Amino acid sequence: EIVLTQSPATLSLSPGERATLSCRASQSVSSYLAWYQQKPGQAPRLLIYDASSRATGIPARFSGSGSGTDFTLTISSLEPEDFAVYYCQQRSNWPLFTFGPGTKVDIK
Amino acid sequence: EVQLVESGGVVVQPGGSLRLSCAASGFTFDDYVMHWVRQAPGKGLEWVSLISWDGGSTYYADSVKGRFTISRDNSKNSLYLQVNSLRVEDTALYYCAKDKGFKEGYFDNWGQGTLVTVSS
Repeated sequence: EIVLTQSPATLSLSPGERATLSCRASQSVSSYLAWYQQKPGQAPRLLIYDASSRATGIPARFSGSGSGTDFTLTISSLEPEDFAVYYCQQRSNWPLFTFGPGTKVDIK
Repeated sequence: EVQLVESGGVVVQPGGSLRLSCAASGFTFDDYVMHWVRQAPGKGLEWVSLISWDGGSTYYADSVKGRFTISRDNSKNSLYLQVNSLRVEDTALYYCAKDKGFKEGYFDNWGQGTLVTVSS
């Protein structure tokens, strides 16, 4: 099983600041990595797939980078609606998909 | 607009069974792989199972293999999850999720979930 670890567990920032979230895989997943956003009481929403491709309707302030074992989700300037939990997910080891434990972005 | 609506979640005793359903609309259902993903209260996401567009191929997480069965009825645009031999650790919100494409392995649309509580 490919294990994904995310850091930090919690990121405390102010609106307008830049957020940088990390996801590390226990073995290479090539570029087969996605990022999801989940707000309280809501289902997850796909933000990024294939490490760097934005999903339909996702604002340009969200960007993804990385390959192999190290990946980053960057939110260039935090909007109030961006405070949420973010999960990474790999599909490299199809169909044994795994998620990271999540990073909570909260308001400082 | 894609809509996925789950139902069937209840409180059930350990060892019990139930069937979850997901009604899909707003897309050509039989063009897509479909998944179940669950989330225990206050915890992260866990992929549970997937089914191919025609129902001919199914896959399961090790944690549910042999106890859960995924199926679909393309004539009814519906996805199902039969869950048997339930354990306390199966308590979770169960989401139905649409694959982004043909076997892409990303989940681009989700329902709101149906809550399964396993408790004596």
